[in-house]
Amino acid sequence: EIVMTQSPATLSVSPGERVTLSCRASQSVNSNLAWYQQKPGQAPRLLIYGASTRATDIPARFSGSGSGTEFTLTISSLQSEDFAVYYCQQFNTWPYAFGQGTKLEIK
Amino acid sequence: EVQLVESGGGLVQPGGSLRVSCAASGFTFSSSGMSWARQAPGKGLEWVSTISGSGGSTHYADSVKGRFTISRDNSKNTLYLQMNSLRAEDTAVYYCARNLGYCSGGICYSGPWDYWGQGTLVTVSS
Repeated sequence: EIVMTQSPATLSVSPGERVTLSCRASQSVNSNLAWYQQKPGQAPRLLIYGASTRATDIPARFSGSGSGTEFTLTISSLQSEDFAVYYCQQFNTWPYAFGQGTKLEIK
Repeated sequence: EVQLVESGGGLVQPGGSLRVSCAASGFTFSSSGMSWARQAPGKGLEWVSTISGSGGSTHYADSVKGRFTISRDNSKNTLYLQMNSLRAEDTAVYYCARNLGYCSGGICYSGPWDYWGQGTLVTVSS
C-alpha cells in the first residue's frame, strides 16, 4: 500500500507570496498524481493531474511538478481565495491514497 | 453542466445499514467511472470505493471491504453505496466523484476525479 506524505502540515503565508507544497509517495506512482483544493464546508476541487497538467479553469498561478516519489504544488502569487487545505492523491496503484493535507493560512 | 447530488445520509446505530445515493446529470453517466470518498469530521480525505462505467469492475478500501458495496444504475444515472455493519469510525461526509478519464502511456486510470458532489453526512452512533 502506497503512503502519501505531505509537508508541511500547516503553512502561514501572506497574500502575494510564492508558496511550494510538497508531497512524497512511499513508492513510485510515476506521474499519476493529482492535487485538490478544499475550502471549509466545500467539496474538493481538482487543481492538477498527471503531476503537472492544470485542470479546466484552474488559474495559471497554480503549477505542479515531479514524478516517481517526489511532487510539488506551487502557487506563484497567493490570492485571498487560495487559503485552503490542499491534498495530493496517487491514482497509480490500488488502493488510491490521499496525503493528509497541507493547510494554507493567512500570516 | 455536470452535477452530482448525494442523498441518503443520516444517523444510524452501530451495526446498522444505510444506502447513500448519488444522482448524476450533465454527462454520459454510463461512460464514466465513479468513486466514493469520505471525510471524517475535522479529518482528511479517504478513498472508499470505485466502480467502472459498466459496473463490471469495482475496488474497495481495506477499511470497508466486505461491509460496503458500490453499485450503479446507468438507466437512472445513479450511483449507490450500500453500507452494512456500520461502525463509529465510518462517521463522515460521503462524497461521490466522477473519474476524469485520464489516460497515459496507453493505460487509462480510475483517477483523478474532476467533479464532486456536495457530500452527505453519515453519523454512526447509539
